[in-house]
Amino acid sequence: SQKIEQNSEALNIQEGKTATLTCNYTNYSPAYLQWYRQDPGRGPVFLLLIRENEKEKRKERLKVTFDTTLKQSLFHITASQPADSATYLCANNQAGTALIFGKGTTLSVSS
Amino acid sequence: DTGVSQNPRHKITKRGQNVTFRCDPISEHNRLYWYRQTLGQGPEFLTYFQNEAQLEKSRLLSDRFSAERPKGSFSTLEIQRTEQGDSAMYLCASSGLFSAGGNEQFFGPGTRLTVL
Repeated sequence: SQKIEQNSEALNIQEGKTATLTCNYTNYSPAYLQWYRQDPGRGPVFLLLIRENEKEKRKERLKVTFDTTLKQSLFHITASQPADSATYLCANNQAGTALIFGKGTTLSVSS
Repeated sequence: DTGVSQNPRHKITKRGQNVTFRCDPISEHNRLYWYRQTLGQGPEFLTYFQNEAQLEKSRLLSDRFSAERPKGSFSTLEIQRTEQGDSAMYLCASSGLFSAGGNEQFFGPGTRLTVL
C-alpha cells in the first residue's frame, strides 16, 4: 500500500540555521507532494506543492526538492525563526483526491 | 469568505451517544473532505465529496459513520453509538476542482471529540 514516512518526529535547531525535513515514499510514484504546517490545536495550512517532473520549488524562505530516484522530498527552511516552530506534514495525492499524510515532524527553533 | 469553518470546535460525549459535526467550506470550492487526526499522527482520510456526490470512502469509515453534503454546500459528519476509540480531531478541508493542478486543500480548525 502507499506509504509516506517522515523519519524524524522532532527536530531542534537554533535560530538562523537551516532546518531540513525529510519525507520518503514507498510502493508508488506520487504525482504531487505537498507540505503543510500545523500549529497545536489547529488545522494544517498549505505551504508548497511540487510535481513529479519538478526538481525544486521555492517560496520565500522555503524550498522543497523532489528526488524520484531516492523516492524522497526534502523541505528546507532557511534563516529559521522561533515563529517557524510547528509540525510540518508531508502529503501526497495521486488522483487529485484524498491526501495521504505522513506523521509529521515537529520543529522547534530556539532563540 | 474567511475560510473553512467547523462547528462545534469541541464536543464531549458519553459512549453510545450520537454526535454530528458541521463543516462550511470555502464558498467557491466544490470538493470537500473529512479527515480524522489522533495525537502524534497525520490526518487520515475518511471521505470526500465533489459537489453533493460522495465519491470516495475510506475503510476507516465504519457503518457507524455517515456523511452528507446536501446541495453541495455545507457537510455534516455523524457518528452513531460513539466509542472511546472515536476520540480524535475531525478535520474538514475543501478545494477547487482545478486548484494548482495538484489539489492543495484548505483546512478548517477541526472539531475535537472526546468520548467518555
